[in-house]
Amino acid sequence: AQSVTQPDIHITVSEGASLELRCNYSYGATPYLFWYVQSPGQGLQLLLKYFSGDTLVQGIKGFEAEFKRSQSSFNLRKPSVHWSDAAEYFCAVGAPMNSGNTPLVFGKGTRLSVIA
Amino acid sequence: DTAVSQTPKYLVTQMGNDKSIKCEQNLGHDTMYWYKQDSKKFLKIMFSYNNKELIINETVPNRFSPKSPDKAHLNLHINSLELGDSAVYFCASSQPGTAIYEQYFGPGTRLTVT
Repeated sequence: AQSVTQPDIHITVSEGASLELRCNYSYGATPYLFWYVQSPGQGLQLLLKYFSGDTLVQGIKGFEAEFKRSQSSFNLRKPSVHWSDAAEYFCAVGAPMNSGNTPLVFGKGTRLSVIA
Repeated sequence: DTAVSQTPKYLVTQMGNDKSIKCEQNLGHDTMYWYKQDSKKFLKIMFSYNNKELIINETVPNRFSPKSPDKAHLNLHINSLELGDSAVYFCASSQPGTAIYEQYFGPGTRLTVT
């Protein structure tokens, strides 16, 4: 069964500092990997996704993530955090089925706080 | 032009009541989902429908009954509401049959049972 682990429940960074949010997955093959962001009281917005090819993927809002098969990881990074990045971040895994209608399995999320 | 919309956004009701949450997507997707986000922010799949047919039911109590009148709509009806049903419910959609797919989420419905 697929599973996703986000080891950090809460992270606080200073505005302008770099950020790395960790995500480890468990799956028998190469999965489809996603990072979503949820601002307070809002829905989920897709930041980026990985299916194949280049293991470093670029997303919206200046985020990037790197897929490392050997570590079963898909960590999210941003070189300089802005106060508006404060939100809940979810890593998710989806099975690479042709039908493309399998639900996502989410990690428990990492809450990011940004301080001045 | 909202891609996935849900109504209502907030729902406060008493135990034992029956309530419905509506979801509509204008993306032309064939597959729709309901996820539940609990008080600890954990997101878990409840149901998945493909072209109006139920394909996934993740051991959700029978009090929850999804209904898909057409492939653009997936409503969630909940009978005899319990305190533990309090959560945020998210609708999502995706398009199967493509090599690359992603799920688009609605804004969520915060259900509070008192």
